[in-house]
Amino acid sequence: AIQLTQSPSSLSASIGDRVTITCRASQDISIALAWYQQKPGKSPNLLIYDASSLASGVPSRFSGSGSGTDFTLTISSLQPEDFATYYCLQFNSYPQSFGQGTRLEL
Amino acid sequence: QVQLVESGGGVVQPGGSLRLSCAASGFTLRSFGMNWVRQAPGRGLEWVAFIRYDGSNEYYTESGKGRFTISRDNSKNILYLQMNSLRAEDTAVYYCAKDRATVVRGVYYYYMDVWGKGTTVTVSS
Repeated sequence: AIQLTQSPSSLSASIGDRVTITCRASQDISIALAWYQQKPGKSPNLLIYDASSLASGVPSRFSGSGSGTDFTLTISSLQPEDFATYYCLQFNSYPQSFGQGTRLEL
Repeated sequence: QVQLVESGGGVVQPGGSLRLSCAASGFTLRSFGMNWVRQAPGRGLEWVAFIRYDGSNEYYTESGKGRFTISRDNSKNILYLQMNSLRAEDTAVYYCAKDRATVVRGVYYYYMDVWGKGTTVTVSS
């Protein structure tokens, strides 16, 4: 099974900051990676698919990059509504797997 | 609009069984693969199971093999997860999620684009 390692596990930042979260796969997954945002008590919301494609309705301050084993999610200028937990997902093969999450705090 | 609504969660004793349902609306269920994903209290997301759009193929997380069965009734637009021999570590919010296809270098892949709000399963004596 493919393992995903996210870093950092938590991150403190301020409004307007640029932040980057990384996700490393245990083997080559091409660009079969997605990013989700989850707020407390809510279901996950798709942000990015195919490593760098922005999902419908997602603000352009979110961007993704990478291929193979190393991926990043970048938020260019943090807004108050961005403080949440972020997960990467590999969909290259089953069982699909998530990273352990990155909690973004004010 | 596309909507998924889970039900069937509750409190069950260790060793017991539970069947979760996921009612789909706003799209044609028979055209899409579907997944179950869970989240234990205070923990991260864990993919649990997948079923192909026509029910012809299924995949499970290692801990669910032999205990969980994913199925679907496309005529009723409902997805199911039958869970047997439940353990304390199965305690979680269970989400159903719809697949969306993408093509990368001529190969089809499937990621989860729409999620339900979840149903809570508690395994406790």
